[in-house]
Amino acid sequence: RKEVEQDPGPFNVPEGATVAFNCTYSNSASQSFFWYRQDCRKEPKLLMSVYSSGNEDGRFTAQLNRASQYISLLIRDSKLSDSATYLCVVNRRQGYSTLTFGKGTMLLVSP
Amino acid sequence: SQTIHQWPATLVQPVGSPLSLECTVEGTSNPNLYWYRQAAGRGLQLLFYSVGIGQISSEVPQNLSASRPQDRQFILSSKKLLLSDSGFYLCAWRIPGTGNSPLHFGNGTRLTVT
Repeated sequence: RKEVEQDPGPFNVPEGATVAFNCTYSNSASQSFFWYRQDCRKEPKLLMSVYSSGNEDGRFTAQLNRASQYISLLIRDSKLSDSATYLCVVNRRQGYSTLTFGKGTMLLVSP
Repeated sequence: SQTIHQWPATLVQPVGSPLSLECTVEGTSNPNLYWYRQAAGRGLQLLFYSVGIGQISSEVPQNLSASRPQDRQFILSSKKLLLSDSGFYLCAWRIPGTGNSPLHFGNGTRLTVT
């Protein structure tokens, strides 16, 4: 099983739609989780951290399910500008804590 | 506020030539520093990380090497580039000692080996 797995997509949705992505991770000892956004040919940028109780930032909601080892990202009222690749990131402890990135899920929002 | 600078933005190098990519961080002390590579259509691969001056950990055996000559400077090098070294190289920093701190990336260097 890969350390971090994501559906590559693309997810094609119309403006205003609600879309959700899941990400599974293999290391049950992982403690830090993040969602990043990467635009084409750009560096990844932090979208939001994922907290145990779930958290929301405007139209974005992140959830963590430790029992099933997955995290999710929900985007409400999609905008054209939300089109990007969304990367799931999980820490792994191997000496010093390092972060492992999923390959990302591509979202395309159309008018 | 903290900033990270990475250069050059793009680079075209012939096979067998040397490589030096530089990254500096401002506004923080003793950051954890990272080099990632993203090959075309693939995920981010961790190459090296450093928790202090002169301390380098390698994740994947490569013909690449990294050095940290100063607290906020991280350098990625190669003596002889291979075609497979082409990719998008990203430097990143992170607050040390806090497991919940995210990575912050530089703008990246797009390397094409011809």
